[in-house]
Amino acid sequence: EPEVTQTPSHQVTQMGQEVILRCVPISNHLYFYWYRQILGQKVEFLVSFYNNEISEKSEIFDDQFSVERPDGSNFTLKIRSTKLEDSAMYFCASSVRRGNQPQHFGDGTRLSIL
Amino acid sequence: AQSVTQLDSQVPVFEEAPVELRCNYSSSVSVYLFWYVQYPNQGLQLLLKYLSGSTLVKGINGFEAEFNKSQTSFHLRKPSVHISDTAEYFCAVSEVNTGFQKLVFGTGTRLLVSP
Repeated sequence: EPEVTQTPSHQVTQMGQEVILRCVPISNHLYFYWYRQILGQKVEFLVSFYNNEISEKSEIFDDQFSVERPDGSNFTLKIRSTKLEDSAMYFCASSVRRGNQPQHFGDGTRLSIL
Repeated sequence: AQSVTQLDSQVPVFEEAPVELRCNYSSSVSVYLFWYVQYPNQGLQLLLKYLSGSTLVKGINGFEAEFNKSQTSFHLRKPSVHISDTAEYFCAVSEVNTGFQKLVFGTGTRLLVSP
């Protein structure tokens, strides 16, 4: 069964550094999402992306965050200047289309900011 | 805006016993409802979903859930659990009329199955 893949599984970065989290969505999916889960807290929506544009973003997704689909397969989340509070598990998800189609999640990238 | 409440942070149960994990939601518009499971060091896997129609939905691994509109609930049940069901379970909703299906999650319930 096709799956969403995320790399790396664990990223350790110094505060203030830039980090890029990578995702390969399922190949025929058109809608892409990033969520994060701070340890011990709920999974929170960050951003959705369709047709090379952000379609919706949360208040968490401020100017230090950006997303990109640099080629036909990858979907990336960039954090420009990381803060301690960015430490979390970041999940990528994709769905074949909008509406009632379920989102398929990757295994996540654990981001640790030192 | 929507919100999801999972009142039980942890549910311990013995193997082969029945279990119910509770989920209540709040929304001013119609919603789709989902249950996801997260095994240790893995991502979120869809267990089941309610979109419309029959209020009792069946999912993978023997789980089922019942949508109750009047009580705004979507409780997850399994008649007989296995050790392998030990995991974190998340209830989630998305607006029916939202084009991009942002999921709003509850805080999760950790199911602990012991022999």
